[in-house]
Amino acid sequence: GNSVTQMEGPVTLSEEAFLTINCTYTATGYPSLFWYVQYPGEGLQLLLKATKADDKGSNKGFEATYRKETTSFHLEKGSVQVSDSAVYFCALIGGGSNYKLTFGKGTLLTVNP
Amino acid sequence: KAGVTQTPRYLIKTRGQQVTLSCSPISGHRSVSWYQQTPGQGLQFLFEYFSETQRNKGNFPGRFSGRQFSNSRSEMNVSTLELGDSALYLCASSLGLEAGDYGYTFGSGTRLTVV
Repeated sequence: GNSVTQMEGPVTLSEEAFLTINCTYTATGYPSLFWYVQYPGEGLQLLLKATKADDKGSNKGFEATYRKETTSFHLEKGSVQVSDSAVYFCALIGGGSNYKLTFGKGTLLTVNP
Repeated sequence: KAGVTQTPRYLIKTRGQQVTLSCSPISGHRSVSWYQQTPGQGLQFLFEYFSETQRNKGNFPGRFSGRQFSNSRSEMNVSTLELGDSALYLCASSLGLEAGDYGYTFGSGTRLTVV
C-alpha cells in the first residue's frame, strides 16, 4: 500500500533561517503529492501540490519538487517567519487509492524571533 | 466562498453513547472524506463519499459509519463510544472528479472527547 515518511522533528529555527522538511513516499503508479499545514486548534490547509514528476509546487515562499527518481517531495523555504510555526504534513493521493489521502506523521516547526 | 463547515466544534460524550458529526462541503464539491486525527496514530482515513455512494473505506470497526445526502452534506456516526475514540475528526471535500489534481479542502474539525 501507499506510505509517506517524513522527518518527525520537532524542528526549531530562528527567524529568517532556511527550512527543509524531508518527505519520501512509497506508491504504485504516479501519485499526486501534497503538503498540508495545521495551525494550533485548526484543521489542515493545503500549502502546495504537485501532480506529476518534476513539477514544482509553490506557495507563500514554500516550495517542493516532485522527484520520482528519489520518490521524494521535500519542503523548503528560504527564510522562515514566526508565523510559519505549525505542524506540516506530507501526503499523497493515487497509486491505486484515488480517493484517499495518505499522510506522513507530521513535523512540528517552531520559529523563534 | 464558504469553506468546509463542521459541527459541532467540540463534543463531550460518555463511554457507550453514540455520536453524530456533521459536515457541509464547499458548494459544488461532491466528494466528502472523513479522517481521524490522534497524537498516537496521526491522520487516519475513515471513508469517502461521492454522490451519496461510499467509494472507499478505511480500517475502522463497524461502529464507525457515515452517509452522504443528496445535497452532498455528510454525517458520520460512532456508536458504543470507547475512550480511544477521543480524537479530532476532520472532514474534507473535493470536486471529486480527480482528487489528485485538486486535493482536498479540510474543515476545522470536531474535537470529540469520550469520558
